[in-house]
Amino acid sequence: DAGVIQSPRHEVTEMGQEVTLRCKPISGHNSLFWYRQTMMRGLELLIYFNNNVPIDDSGMPEDRFSAKMPNASFSTLKIQPSEPRDSAVYFCASSRARGLVNTIYFGEGSWLTVV
Amino acid sequence: DAKTTQPTSMDCAEGRAANLPCNHSTISGNEYVYWYRQIHSQGPQYIIHGLKNNETNEMASLIITEDRKSSTLILPHATLRDTAVYYCIVSWGGGATNKLIFGTGTLLAVQP
Repeated sequence: DAGVIQSPRHEVTEMGQEVTLRCKPISGHNSLFWYRQTMMRGLELLIYFNNNVPIDDSGMPEDRFSAKMPNASFSTLKIQPSEPRDSAVYFCASSRARGLVNTIYFGEGSWLTVV
Repeated sequence: DAKTTQPTSMDCAEGRAANLPCNHSTISGNEYVYWYRQIHSQGPQYIIHGLKNNETNEMASLIITEDRKSSTLILPHATLRDTAVYYCIVSWGGGATNKLIFGTGTLLAVQP
């Protein structure tokens, strides 16, 4: 089975440019998560969706960040305009809750460098 | 969600058992214990989870104390490929609204 698929795997962009990260969750999963990882702050939860609806976006750092999930098989995380401090690895993850247990599976990440 | 405390780093000899401790003294009755690991440059990988009873799968065993205030992840025969950061997370078993908040984890270095 295909896991969580993220694109691009690596991106280098200039400050001020728009960045769009894409994610295809595992088929049949109904929850989707966006995390960000940096050396300084570790792994942070930015936002998560359940059945395509955003449930908690309290981790989104500021208005420059936005996330959408137009259907069950696709999500985007957009940064506009990008800044050097946005440089990080962005992980998408998905899950399908079984009773009270919700095991989350991660993609390989999108490595973003803003110069 | 309850907070966890893990050692910053640990060493283990290849072929020996690796025992990774985690304290979660404020865990509540409906919170599960999850373990994930992150190998360098990869996404976090699910290992195992438990509520009360000890659990075992093909990757590891999870021992949860009777009072549920601490747990130990056991890798029975560590290999060099097990070198990674191991995260212990406790999270309310709220099904689809369950979110995992990662701490700093334990860096396990398996030595040849």
